[in-house]
Formats: sequence, structure tokens, C-alpha cells
Amino acid sequence: AQSVAQPEDQVNVAEGNPLTVKCTYSVSGNPYLFWYVQYPNRGLQFLLKYITGDNLVKGSYGFEAEFNKSQTSFHLKKPSALVSDSALYFCAVRDYNDYKLSFGAGTTVTVRA
Amino acid sequence: EADIYQTPRYLVIGTGKKITLECSQTMGHDKMYWYQQDPGMELHLIHYSYGVNSTEKGDLSSESTVSRIRTEHFPLTLESARPSHTSQYLCASITGVEQFFGPGTRLTVL
Repeated sequence: AQSVAQPEDQVNVAEGNPLTVKCTYSVSGNPYLFWYVQYPNRGLQFLLKYITGDNLVKGSYGFEAEFNKSQTSFHLKKPSALVSDSALYFCAVRDYNDYKLSFGAGTTVTVRA
Repeated sequence: EADIYQTPRYLVIGTGKKITLECSQTMGHDKMYWYQQDPGMELHLIHYSYGVNSTEKGDLSSESTVSRIRTEHFPLTLESARPSHTSQYLCASITGVEQFFGPGTRLTVL
């Protein structure tokens, strides 16, 4: 079985400050990890993924995520948040040999001007 | 990036009606998925398909059904819509490793 936990329902930051959205996962084999963002009344947009290799993954719109195998975490980060980053963020995991994704409950990010 | 199309984008319909939500992709992807999402909440996999004539139920039990007669087309059908079916329905397909999503259909059953 595989699962994802996003411990924070909401994250509030001021524009220009660092942004972190937390994610921990559980999977039986090697994990493939993903971050998606969803704006109101839209589908999910892919941000970044970790498959193998460097633990620090860089993605779209200045976001990055750090894979930590010992802590089974994959936190999303952005050094300087923008108001336009306000959205709903989902972490997802799958086992390397299973094409089904499991999503976290989502974290609503609000960046205030 | 995959182009995934969903129609209609919004649907308001009365109880008992039969509805079909359309999902199509032009990239030739074998693997396609349907998710159900209540507003601002997590996604639940309700159906998936790994190719023509292959469909499976997902993690969340759903009264909907799907078919996969053509690679590019993965429609979802509700034979008799009820207010409990009110939700957003997202279709996705895989290219490479990551899933790409369509814009979704927001269904309201009165």
C-alpha cells in the first residue's frame, strides 16, 4: 500500500518570504514522487518529480523539492514566494512499478502582499 | 506535455438523468485515469485503464462506469445521477512518468 501525508491544511506566508509545503510518504518499493498545483476551477498542473538521482529536484515556476529517504519526506520549497503562488498544492507518490498515483489531502497556500 | 480534453467543463443536471463525461487525448497514451475531487479536497481514483478494452475500478467506490473502446477516448457514465454525485471529475493520462490532467468537469446534480 502507498500513501501520502500533507500535515498542514494551510500555509500562509508574506510575499518575498520562503515557502515550504510539507509532504511525507509511505510506499513499499522505490518511490516516484510528484508535486502538483491546482488553481480554482482548473485541473492539476505538474510542478516537479523525483525518480532517482540528485535529492534536490528543480521544477517549474522556481519551485524545488528535496527528497529525504531516511525521513520519507519530499517537501516543496520556493525561496521567495509570489502572490500568484497562492493555490492548492498536492503531493503524490507511486511505487516505481505501479502506475497508480496516491495523493495527499492538499495544502492551501496563501501568499499575502 | 499531453493535451487532454474534457467536456463539458460544467454540467448542471436533474436527479435521475443519464450523463456521460467525455475525456480524450491525442497523444496515443495507453494509461488513463478518472479522479473524483470534492471542492478544495483530495483526489480519489475511481477508474483507470491501461489500454483498449481494459478498465479497472480505483480506490474509491463509484457508481459510475467507464469504457475504453479507442485509445484516445475514455468516457465516464452515470446511468442515474444523484445529488451525491455532485463533484469535480478529473481525467488524466501518463506520458513518460508523470500524469497530466485535463481541466476537469464540474458536475452539479440537483
